[in-house]
Amino acid sequence: DGGITQSPKYLFRKEGQNVTLSCEQNLNHDAMYWYRQDPGQGLRLIYYSQIVNDFQKGDIAEGYSVSREKKESFPLTVTSAQKNPTAFYLCASSIASTRNSPLHFGNGTRLTVT
Amino acid sequence: QKEVEQNSGPLSVPEGAIASLNCTYSDRGSQSFFWYRQYSGKSPELIMSIYSNGDKEDGRFTAQLNKASQYVSLLIRDSQPSDSATYLCAPASKIIFGSGTRLSIRP
Repeated sequence: DGGITQSPKYLFRKEGQNVTLSCEQNLNHDAMYWYRQDPGQGLRLIYYSQIVNDFQKGDIAEGYSVSREKKESFPLTVTSAQKNPTAFYLCASSIASTRNSPLHFGNGTRLTVT
Repeated sequence: QKEVEQNSGPLSVPEGAIASLNCTYSDRGSQSFFWYRQYSGKSPELIMSIYSNGDKEDGRFTAQLNKASQYVSLLIRDSQPSDSATYLCAPASKIIFGSGTRLSIRP
């Protein structure tokens, strides 16, 4: 079945540690995205990528980094510079980044940093 | 002003009634919209898309787009407890979302 796989589902880290969240898709989509969601809040865009080896910052990119070495994969690293990293992280993909292309979401990773 | 605005709710609707969810937007260039449903603790899923002015019906759901007034709405007929979720509005040509309206269907 085609879809987006995020792993792990739950992740616990100590403050000061970097952590990488995995996102893999087999939908052959060109564009991929990372969003952050805090309790009771909407989705905020962290980074997005329209094509391999290229990505752009979203609204809240500070303290995060990404790579897009393969079309299928778009990992997100939460660095120690991110002041409030505890959140629900959602990865998504679409056929193209614009022009009426809906987003398909993974099941999310819930990160807790203590 | 946010580009897409939704009332955060919660909107409480009795079972069997019509739930009406609204979204206003500021960019007149937005031509089409998506509605996503997000259950608590889960990821959003696309439930409706509307690409032109007017109404689009799909089962119990009707999406309405009014470009002159810059609002888009989602009507849910015969509301069921399983409709309790947060509903997110998004312009189709962008990668931003409204903050969502939390809908609660009471028995």
